[in-house]
Amino acid sequence: DTAVSQTPKYLVTQMGNDKSIKCEQNLGHDTMYWYKQDSKKFLKIMFSYNNKELIINETVPNRFSPKSPDKAHLNLHINSLELGDSAVYFCASSQAQGGSPLHFGNGTRLTVT
Amino acid sequence: AQTVTQSQPEMSVQEAETVTLSCTYDTSESDYYLFWYKQPPSRQMILVIRQEAYKQQNATENRFSVNFQKAAKSFSLKISDSQLGDAAMYFCAYSPNTGNQFYFGTGTSLTVIP
Repeated sequence: DTAVSQTPKYLVTQMGNDKSIKCEQNLGHDTMYWYKQDSKKFLKIMFSYNNKELIINETVPNRFSPKSPDKAHLNLHINSLELGDSAVYFCASSQAQGGSPLHFGNGTRLTVT
Repeated sequence: AQTVTQSQPEMSVQEAETVTLSCTYDTSESDYYLFWYKQPPSRQMILVIRQEAYKQQNATENRFSVNFQKAAKSFSLKISDSQLGDAAMYFCAYSPNTGNQFYFGTGTSLTVIP
C-alpha cells in the first residue's frame, strides 16, 4: 500500500542516453512534483503539476520533460543525459490546499557515466 | 523571495540527550506553514512535524517539538532523548498558504553518538 512509488530505484546509464522515471501516487492528491537532490543534499524543485496541468516549471534544461497522463501519475523523461544529471530524483505529492505536507517517493538514484 | 536558512550544516548529540536544530525563513506572507523533514541514510524523506503559522502553540510529536517564533521568523526543532535512529539529515521547509510551493533549507546532518 505504498503511497508514492517511483521506479526504478537505481538507474545507471551512459552519457547521451534517454531515460525515464515513473511515479504514481495512490493518495488521491491533486498535485505532484519532481525534486532533484544533488550530491550536497540540496533539494531543488523541478516541476509541479496540478490535475495534469503544469504549474511550476523551474529553470530546468529542455532535456527534462515531465508528463502527467492523469493526476495520479507524473513521469520524468530525460533526453541526452549528461554527467551533471547524476543525482537523486524525488517524486512527491500533496493535496491542493495550503498546508498539506509533501509525501515523497523513495527516490531514484541516477548515475550517468 | 522566500528563503529558508539552516545555519548548522552538521550537529552531533549524545544518545539520550537533547539537541536543537535551527531554521530561519524569510517571507512577507502572514499565513503559511512550516515543516521539518527527516532523511535517514535510506534516503526516504519522512515528515517529522508541521506548524501552522496562525497557531501560536508550538507543535509537538512525541520526542520532537518546535520553537516557533513568528516575529523572529524562526522555527527550530528540538529532539529530546535522542536515539541512534534519529541520525539523519533534517530539512526545514516553508510553504505559503497560497499555491503548492515548498521552499527547503540546505539541511542539517545530525549524528547521534552512542
